[in-house]
Amino acid sequence: DAGVIQSPRHEVTEMGQEVTLRCKPISGHNSLFWYRQTMMRGLELLIYFNNNVPIDDSGMPEDRFSAKMPNASFSTLKIQPSEPRDSAVYFCASSPANPLAGGYNEQFFGPGTRLTVL
Amino acid sequence: RKEVEQDPGPFNVPEGATVAFNCTYSNSASQSFFWYRQDCRKEPKLLMSVYSSGNEDGRFTAQLNRASQYISLLIRDSKLSDSATYLCVVTPGGAGSYQLTFGKGTKLSVIP
Repeated sequence: DAGVIQSPRHEVTEMGQEVTLRCKPISGHNSLFWYRQTMMRGLELLIYFNNNVPIDDSGMPEDRFSAKMPNASFSTLKIQPSEPRDSAVYFCASSPANPLAGGYNEQFFGPGTRLTVL
Repeated sequence: RKEVEQDPGPFNVPEGATVAFNCTYSNSASQSFFWYRQDCRKEPKLLMSVYSSGNEDGRFTAQLNRASQYISLLIRDSKLSDSATYLCVVTPGGAGSYQLTFGKGTKLSVIP
């Protein structure tokens, strides 16, 4: 079975450019998460969607970051304009149930997008 | 104080050795605890959950001490394939159980 799919796997761009990261969650999973991982800060949750609706975006660092989930099988994370400090690995993860209903469900991570902003 | 703290290592151990990692957490309201494993340049994957009574999965044993707010992971008979970074994860549980707070990880290298 296909896991979480992310594209691109690597992205190198120049400061000021727009960057769009893409994610396809595991079919049937209704929770989707975007994370960012850096050496300094570790792995941080940016935003969480449930049934395509953003539930918690408190981790989004600033207005330059935006995320959408137009349907159950696709999500994007956009950075506009990008800055060198945005360089990180961005992971998308999905989970099969609604944690708001209580209880934990394993989050399955995609392979990540390694972003470098020059 | 950081929410989840781990010794970054690296822990360099010979094959067959027993190695233990600890992790401390600051939020006493945390309800659920996990260890994730992350191989170099790969995504994190769930290794095991941590229960109050302690739990074992083959060569891996996880323990939780709520009073002292730490969790541990013990690996017996280390294999080369155990080389990875081990991430300690806590959540508030309940409706907030999606909020995984990750430690920065402890790096383990098992040496032939």
